[in-house]
Amino acid sequence: SQQGEEDPQALSIQEGENATMNCSYKTSINNLQWYRQNSGRGLVHLILIRSNEREKHSGRLRVTLDTSKKSSSLLITASRAADTASYFCATDAGRRYSTLTFGKGTMLLVSP
Amino acid sequence: EADIYQTPRYLVIGTGKKITLECSQTMGHDKMYWYQQDPGMELHLIHYSYGVNSTEKGDLSSESTVSRIRTEHFPLTLESARPSHTSQYLCASSGDGGSYGYTFGSGTRLTVV
Repeated sequence: SQQGEEDPQALSIQEGENATMNCSYKTSINNLQWYRQNSGRGLVHLILIRSNEREKHSGRLRVTLDTSKKSSSLLITASRAADTASYFCATDAGRRYSTLTFGKGTMLLVSP
Repeated sequence: EADIYQTPRYLVIGTGKKITLECSQTMGHDKMYWYQQDPGMELHLIHYSYGVNSTEKGDLSSESTVSRIRTEHFPLTLESARPSHTSQYLCASSGDGGSYGYTFGSGTRLTVV
């Protein structure tokens, strides 16, 4: 069953603008993670936020988590053309043998 | 440098052939995973392993099989490839149930003709 759902499906912005992507999920989680995928390559882990955290920063990335709404957002500030990629959220239920469940992703295009 | 490697990067093969997609990691991770991803779509878990001699099927029904004889090696085998198997296959590993994130390989793009 699909756990994470990203919104929007696609986003097109200019360099320098901020990009915000949202993720909703259905069941309780231990943590939520964001990944980037460049043009059909493997995914790269960006940031992890635990269920008891509300906000986390890493460089130009800011992630928020609202467990009451079962949603998360990823903000990329001052975007660059190199940020063009697909972004996926993934949820971890935190059980001993649980695996990550990925959403459908948001395709971000940053134009120079 | 610790990393995860997948070979081949691209593979075009005829229907009915047996193929093995290789995945190796040098990080000493106990947990390894295989995901299938069609272009522009979400990832579907097809197999995972929590250690040597441990393998489980994932959420997506798959005609492939896996083995885990060594910690660092997690190959995926298709006994008889079909055009419906055309997809990208991504291998990943993690050190502690995903709590520190997964490390992904670059993927194998498989085309069955």
